[in-house]
Amino acid sequence: NAGVTQTPKFQVLKTGQSMTLQCAQDMNHEYMSWYRQDPGMGLRLIHYSVGAGITDQGEVPNGYNVSRSTTEDFPLRLLSAAPSQTSVYFCASSYTGQGGDYTFGSGTRLTVV
Amino acid sequence: SQQGEEDPQALSIQEGENATMNCSYKTSINNLQWYRQNSGRGLVHLILIRSNEREKHSGRLRVTLDTSKKSSSLLITASRAADTASYFCAVSNDYKLSFGAGTTVTVRA
Repeated sequence: NAGVTQTPKFQVLKTGQSMTLQCAQDMNHEYMSWYRQDPGMGLRLIHYSVGAGITDQGEVPNGYNVSRSTTEDFPLRLLSAAPSQTSVYFCASSYTGQGGDYTFGSGTRLTVV
Repeated sequence: SQQGEEDPQALSIQEGENATMNCSYKTSINNLQWYRQNSGRGLVHLILIRSNEREKHSGRLRVTLDTSKKSSSLLITASRAADTASYFCAVSNDYKLSFGAGTTVTVRA
């Protein structure tokens, strides 16, 4: 099925641990992005990519790394997890990058204890 | 900081009534979009309005955009229980989407 696949769906980390959230899309979209959603807030942009090999920072990039070696995959790495990174993370992809055709994954709920 | 800000934060209406929510933003935009999020799920795109458009319709949805006031509104007519969700506006600029905090709509049967 075409779409954006995020794994895992749930994760609990201890403070200081590292992990990678996976995001894959099979729609040949050039634009991909990572957001976090905290209670009572909208989505905030962490990092985004306009194509393989090209990434840039969003609104809240600190503590996160990304890379884009293929068009399909856009993993998000937490270098040293902190309780402040407890959140729901969404990956999205788009053909145009201009909105209207953004497809969102179902999210990864991350808890850092 | 988030560009879009929705108002009200929460809305409770009876089935069949209309629901109106507003979004204000801060800078120039390419377009503005509205998304729906059901509890615990990802976002679903509802409608996009370009900066040179003033009004757009899609089914029971009506969106207006006033670039002079930097504001938009989303009207859902004849609401149904299935419309219960959070609604977010998002502004697009430089290939980035900036979201507001959302309006939570509860439709009572």
